[in-house]
Amino acid sequence: AQSVTQLDSQVPVFEEAPVELRCNYSSSVSVYLFWYVQYPNQGLQLLLKYLSGSTLVKGINGFEAEFNKSQTSFHLRKPSVHISDTAEYFCAVRGQGNLIFGKGTKLSVKP
Amino acid sequence: DTAVSQTPKYLVTQMGNDKSIKCEQNLGHDTMYWYKQDSKKFLKIMFSYNNKELIINETVPNRFSPKSPDKAHLNLHINSLELGDSAVYFCASSPRMGVTANEQYFGPGTRLTVT
Repeated sequence: AQSVTQLDSQVPVFEEAPVELRCNYSSSVSVYLFWYVQYPNQGLQLLLKYLSGSTLVKGINGFEAEFNKSQTSFHLRKPSVHISDTAEYFCAVRGQGNLIFGKGTKLSVKP
Repeated sequence: DTAVSQTPKYLVTQMGNDKSIKCEQNLGHDTMYWYKQDSKKFLKIMFSYNNKELIINETVPNRFSPKSPDKAHLNLHINSLELGDSAVYFCASSPRMGVTANEQYFGPGTRLTVT
């Protein structure tokens, strides 16, 4: 069985500062990894994904994530955040079963 | 064009009623899903379904039932609604085959409030 841990429930940051949202997973099989973003009162939008190949993946809105198999992590990063990045971010993993979501990290960008 | 759409966006109803939420996808995907997001934003799968197989999360009460009139639609019927059913329900879809079967695309959600 797979599980996902998002280590921070809330991350406050000032505009134009860098940010990292942490995600760790556990699985006994190879996994596919995803980050989704949920803006207030909206649905989930796929931000980026790791299916295979390069461990550094780039997504929309300037976000990127790095798959680290030895540390079982898939942390999300952005070098300079904007007010409009304020949202809930979900890490998700899929192995042989269903897509399993972490509990989410609320990113709050302040001016 | 919206890839995955849901209706209604908001649904307020009383305990004991029966209600349905509709979902349609125009992505040509073979597999569709229903998720429940609780008040703490935790997302949990309820069902996954393609035209041959329905997989039900064992924790889902049998008052919930998915119904698929065709490949592009997966509706969620809920009987005898309870207060604890209040949540946001998301529909999603994915291809059935290949590595891209792991990518799921979500609808905008339906906020259900049971009073």
